[in-house]
Amino acid sequence: QQQVKQSPQSLIVQKGGISIINCAYENTAFDYFPWYQQFPGKGPALLIAIRPDVSEKKEGRFTISFNKSAKQFSLHIMDSQPGDSATYFCAAGKTTNAGKSTFGDGTTLTVKP
Amino acid sequence: DAMVIQNPRYQVTQFGKPVTLSCSQTLNHNVMYWYQQKSSQAPKLLFHYYDKDFNNEADTPDNFQSRRPNTSFCFLDIRSPGLGDAAMYLCATSRDKGFNEKLFFGSGTQLSVL
Repeated sequence: QQQVKQSPQSLIVQKGGISIINCAYENTAFDYFPWYQQFPGKGPALLIAIRPDVSEKKEGRFTISFNKSAKQFSLHIMDSQPGDSATYFCAAGKTTNAGKSTFGDGTTLTVKP
Repeated sequence: DAMVIQNPRYQVTQFGKPVTLSCSQTLNHNVMYWYQQKSSQAPKLLFHYYDKDFNNEADTPDNFQSRRPNTSFCFLDIRSPGLGDAAMYLCATSRDKGFNEKLFFGSGTQLSVL
């Protein structure tokens, strides 16, 4: 199975700080890279997604940076808030079937007040 | 307003006793997915329906089956649950399969096997 490696496993950030989560993928055929946010007891929710024809995508405080040559992408959360405390999953797959994307193992983010 | 609804929220079953989990959607989406998520792990796709077409993942055990009687409902049947099947089971939908087709997840059913 194609791997998606996510780091760090857990992250603690002070309120107002920048949270950075990194992912690396193997399959060069992948062209869909979403990030999901999951709160305890809830299903994941799509935060933001990017295709490899752009190097960066920003939505509010959330930014995806994409490095096609390195096969890496990252999520930056600017001005992190306690309400951002959740588990974040990156994923990689094909635009022809987003639901078949391979997920990373997740990063538990804690934002301290 | 919940758009992907999973019932029950918690399910306890006995080892080897068949169990059915249900998912309904109010979005009229073509695609429905079932994922298994074990504690502190990533969701793992079990299978999905594209309309009436069933697509099984290669590594999904035969113990897991699914039914989609109509557009709105999809069921996950575990024929003989083992202790290793204890997990959160997530249902998700999307209008279609392309890039712009956002996945909508339900809140999941937490399955315990005694």
